[in-house]
Amino acid sequence: GAGVSQSPSNKVTEKGKDVELRCDPISGHTALYWYRQSLGQGLEFLIYFQGNSAPDKSGLPSDRFSAERTGGSVSTLTIQRTQQEDSAVYLCASSPETGGDTEAFFGQGTRLTVV
Amino acid sequence: GNSVTQMEGPVTLSEEAFLTINCTYTATGYPSLFWYVQYPGEGLQLLLKATKADDKGSNKGFEATYRKETTSFHLEKGSVQVSDSAVYFCALVDSGGYQKVTFGIGTKLQVIP
Repeated sequence: GAGVSQSPSNKVTEKGKDVELRCDPISGHTALYWYRQSLGQGLEFLIYFQGNSAPDKSGLPSDRFSAERTGGSVSTLTIQRTQQEDSAVYLCASSPETGGDTEAFFGQGTRLTVV
Repeated sequence: GNSVTQMEGPVTLSEEAFLTINCTYTATGYPSLFWYVQYPGEGLQLLLKATKADDKGSNKGFEATYRKETTSFHLEKGSVQVSDSAVYFCALVDSGGYQKVTFGIGTKLQVIP
């Protein structure tokens, strides 16, 4: 596609349920990021994938959060046993395989509401 | 590790006022520096960037100069418009390739007529 695509755009779930958020990066981009943006807060880094390297998971807030990237393309962020504090906009971004000049291209985000 | 510090908002200005949003950084290498903007209801998009010391990035009347001696990348605009109301994020990517983007917390700008 022309840009980073995220689905669903909105998700309402009950507390305790599991959710999966999907990200389709720009074709050919080797780097993929997940961020979380809570109301009134900045961008909180969650996880970073780069090519075939081991992902940087240092931003995942708890073991309820996990992410996969299959075939170096599509990524899924999974939140298990959702809590109300998980409510936020989850942003995905991708960037090409370049060095320090790397610009990140963002999707529109998935707004998650846990009720 | 890498970090980006931005002035906290919100910043409220009258139309045609001068804007400065401060940004300083800490990095282990020689980073590239970015400003991203998020307009209401829209996704983040790149506003401008600079890849080496003394470079000036510019776009839509906004400018920022890469100052290595002060590790800063302040965003400026001479005359803001209501349409500039948005959240602005300073960010860096360290040198050496395969480095993730590190963002500041974002500064909300509100321009009133």
